Amino acid sequence: NSKVIQTPRYLVKGQGQKAKMRCIPEKGHPVVFWYQQNKNNEFKFLINFQNQEVLQQIDMTEKRFSAECPSNSPCSLEIQSSEAGDSALYLCASSLGGGQNTLYFGAGTRLSVL
Amino acid sequence: DAKTTQPDSMESTEGETVHLPCSHATISGNEYIYWYRQVPLQGPEYVTHGLQQNTTNSMAFLAIASDRKSSTLILPHVSLRDAAVYHCILRTDNTGYQNFYFGKGTSLTVIP
Repeated sequence: NSKVIQTPRYLVKGQGQKAKMRCIPEKGHPVVFWYQQNKNNEFKFLINFQNQEVLQQIDMTEKRFSAECPSNSPCSLEIQSSEAGDSALYLCASSLGGGQNTLYFGAGTRLSVL
Repeated sequence: DAKTTQPDSMESTEGETVHLPCSHATISGNEYIYWYRQVPLQGPEYVTHGLQQNTTNSMAFLAIASDRKSSTLILPHVSLRDAAVYHCILRTDNTGYQNFYFGKGTSLTVIP
C-alpha cells in the first residue's frame, strides 16, 4: 500500500473552474514530483520540488497551474482555469532524493473537466 | 519525446515466464533504468532498477544489454496479480535535477 496520500481520488469540474488536489508525501521524503497521465497511459512531467523549493517545471505548469509544498502542510497542485484537455490522472510521487531516487507514487487524483 | 520504446501489449499464461522488452537506444552513461507497474485505479508501483549489471529481487529479474541500449524485465511464473501496465523509465540527472522520463508502457495480460 502506498504511503503517499493523494486527495481527492476523484474531482469533477466545469471548464474555467479551479481544480485543486493535494498530496502528502511519504514521511521523510523531501522530493515531490507531479505527473499528468492521460488515457493513453502517457505521462507528462509537470513540476518537482525539493522541500519547499521548485526544482523544475514545464511551461504549462508555469502559466496555468500553481503548485506548492509548504512545510508541515500537504503539497498541492491547482489548475487556475480548467480546460477539457486537463482531464487526466494526476499522480504525486515522493523520494528521498540524493542517491536514493526511487519514486513512490500515490493512487492519483482523477480529474474530469466537463 | 519518448526516451524508451516498449511494445503496447503482451499476453502470457499463468505460470509462464514473461520477458518484457524495452529499447533505450539514446541512453546516457549516467541514466538508470527503472521499471514500474501500474494496475487500474492505482499509481505506479516500483519493481526494480539498474545501471549496468543485471539485478534481481523478489518481484523480477532485470537483464541489461552490455551496450545498455535495451533491457528486459523477466517475470518468473506469472500469476493473475501480475497483470498490469509495465513502464520502463530512464532517470536522468543531466540538468542536476533527477527527473524520470516515462514511456507508454506494455499492458501485460495474464490468462488463467
